[in-house]
Amino acid sequence: SQELEQSPQSLIVQEGKNLTINCTSSKTLYGLYWYKQKYGEGLIFLMMLQKGGEEKSHEKITAKLDEKKQQSSLHITASQPSHAGIYLCGAASYSGGGADGLTFGKGTHLIIQP
Amino acid sequence: ETGVTQTPRHLVMGMTNKKSLKCEQHLGHNAMYWYKQSAKKPLELMFVYNFKEQTENNSVPSRFSPECPNSSHLFLHLHTLQPEDSALYLCASSQVDHDTIYFGEGSWLTVV
Repeated sequence: SQELEQSPQSLIVQEGKNLTINCTSSKTLYGLYWYKQKYGEGLIFLMMLQKGGEEKSHEKITAKLDEKKQQSSLHITASQPSHAGIYLCGAASYSGGGADGLTFGKGTHLIIQP
Repeated sequence: ETGVTQTPRHLVMGMTNKKSLKCEQHLGHNAMYWYKQSAKKPLELMFVYNFKEQTENNSVPSRFSPECPNSSHLFLHLHTLQPEDSALYLCASSQVDHDTIYFGEGSWLTVV
């Protein structure tokens, strides 16, 4: 079965600073999904990456998938209090496998200090 | 608002009770999922329904019983649960031919 390792597990960043969260897979990724979760609430979809080398941005958040499709990074520029939460990466284990449900990492807890 | 609504948001039940969690999606999707989220563990996929047919049951104990009467509604029936079943239960939906999954707000379950 596919496993996803996220690092770091938790991160405390001063407001305005940049940060990076990583997600590494034990197998080739056929779809890598980034979600954000506020404690005790549902997951909010951020971005999906499918192609090796792909990069997507939404507002101040940029996600990249490496060429080998086994690692993804999420980068936040000029962090704000609204970025605080738990960031989870999820993956489909085969092409089109998202419909069978995604495998998730344990998440990275991000705290933004004013 | 993600288009996936879960009720109740919070539930406290005794170990001998029978209760149900409800999920409704307004996105026109044809696949629905139940996930369990416990402290310090990755999200665990419990059940998958594609076109109302159950396609996945990840070794979930029989005290959890899913029901999918149509493509918009999904239930999780709970019976004689254990305290370790206390967790956040998340419902999600997607289109079978499109991988992005959309989640509800979750139902916090506490078993006492």
